[in-house]
Amino acid sequence: SQKIEQNSEALNIQEGKTATLTCNYTNYSPAYLQWYRQDPGRGPVFLLLIRENEKEKRKERLKVTFDTTLKQSLFHITASQPADSATYLCALVYSSASKIIFGSGTRLSIRP
Amino acid sequence: DTGVSQDPRHKITKRGQNVTFRCDPISEHNRLYWYRQTLGQGPEFLTYFQNEAQLEKSRLLSDRFSAERPKGSFSTLEIQRTEQGDSAMYLCASSPFRDKNSSGNTIYFGEGSWLTVV
Repeated sequence: SQKIEQNSEALNIQEGKTATLTCNYTNYSPAYLQWYRQDPGRGPVFLLLIRENEKEKRKERLKVTFDTTLKQSLFHITASQPADSATYLCALVYSSASKIIFGSGTRLSIRP
Repeated sequence: DTGVSQDPRHKITKRGQNVTFRCDPISEHNRLYWYRQTLGQGPEFLTYFQNEAQLEKSRLLSDRFSAERPKGSFSTLEIQRTEQGDSAMYLCASSPFRDKNSSGNTIYFGEGSWLTVV
């Protein structure tokens, strides 16, 4: 079965630095890969989507890359702020007709 | 508020009791999903509907779980004879799936319904 691996340990970085989160998957590549943010006790919120034929996607301070050879996506937050502290979830979609499969998430803490 | 609405937000029940959660999706979203999430884990797929049709159901879902979306609008998730292992946050999400060629399948989550089985 498909497996998604995200950094299991929390990531702590200094405000202003770039945070980089990793999502690795096994088996075949998804049609789309998504990133969500989740705050404690809240539902996930969609951030970015990248298709299998795209290398990179940007949105404001966020950047996502997708390497189907490495079976990996990287999620970057530049000029990080304490308000960026949250859990970030990677999610895979294999076709528009299929369910979305989530990783276990990486907890990110930005210290002032 | 026009987001996904879930009710109740919190439920404490005794083992063996039945519980039902309701989800009201974003208006005109024809896809509706149920996920379960426990502490430190990502959302785990349970089932999803397109309009009133239940298209997929997780093998993890025992026969104690049932979901309905009778008119293609709101949905209910019922858990019968609850067990302590059912304690989790139950998340509902919806998406405006249009056709097989539409991209993204971005889904919008509600705030979840917390279940504690004692």
